[in-house]
Amino acid sequence: NAGVTQTPKFQVLKTGQSMTLQCAQDMNHEYMSWYRQDPGMGLRLIHYSVGAGITDQGEVPNGYNVSRSTTEDFPLRLLSAAPSQTSVYFCASDPQGGQGSEQYFGPGTRLTVT
Amino acid sequence: TQLLEQSPQFLSIQEGENLTVYCNSSSVFSSLQWYRQEPGEGPVLLVTVVTGGEVKKLKRLTFQFGDARKDSSLHITAAQPGDTGLYLCAGGSSNTGKLIFGQGTTLQVKP
Repeated sequence: NAGVTQTPKFQVLKTGQSMTLQCAQDMNHEYMSWYRQDPGMGLRLIHYSVGAGITDQGEVPNGYNVSRSTTEDFPLRLLSAAPSQTSVYFCASDPQGGQGSEQYFGPGTRLTVT
Repeated sequence: TQLLEQSPQFLSIQEGENLTVYCNSSSVFSSLQWYRQEPGEGPVLLVTVVTGGEVKKLKRLTFQFGDARKDSSLHITAAQPGDTGLYLCAGGSSNTGKLIFGQGTTLQVKP
């Protein structure tokens, strides 16, 4: 099993550009999440999904869109990048959705918006 | 809004010393997890505690969940340079199904 994979590893965008961060998992987990990690702020939930076709907003959803057409894939779209979106983005999956089960994290995407 | 406060945020100690990291909240959680993260990688789960007062040991690491399930601690005995990393606590809510993360504690253990 590859676990949770994310691409790209690094990305530099100019303000106003759009892009999609890819996330895939091969563990057949229903629950997937996107977090951003900023210094001194831990991990903050952007969007999450409890299964294919179902998504919901987390703590910091503004400026981001998600979709979940399959169990395996959960892409995160930045509609119009802003410098405030400079961060490290982590995708995670787990079988039970925060009910005490382990979250499996991808290696992260480091995004810089200039 | 549920919040988890971790302390200290930074800790730099010598090899062989003991340390404790705290994770506190005014909210009750159904579970409390501790993760460790190394530079350039995603967090990896160390332990999950679900019962108030529960104590779990993982080699030199001891984890405790508060009786009221609002706080937790991580104690490391005789720290080693390999313990260096970012430690994150995360509270699970059975109501929302989400995990709330603390700000993290950066630990540096010097040889």
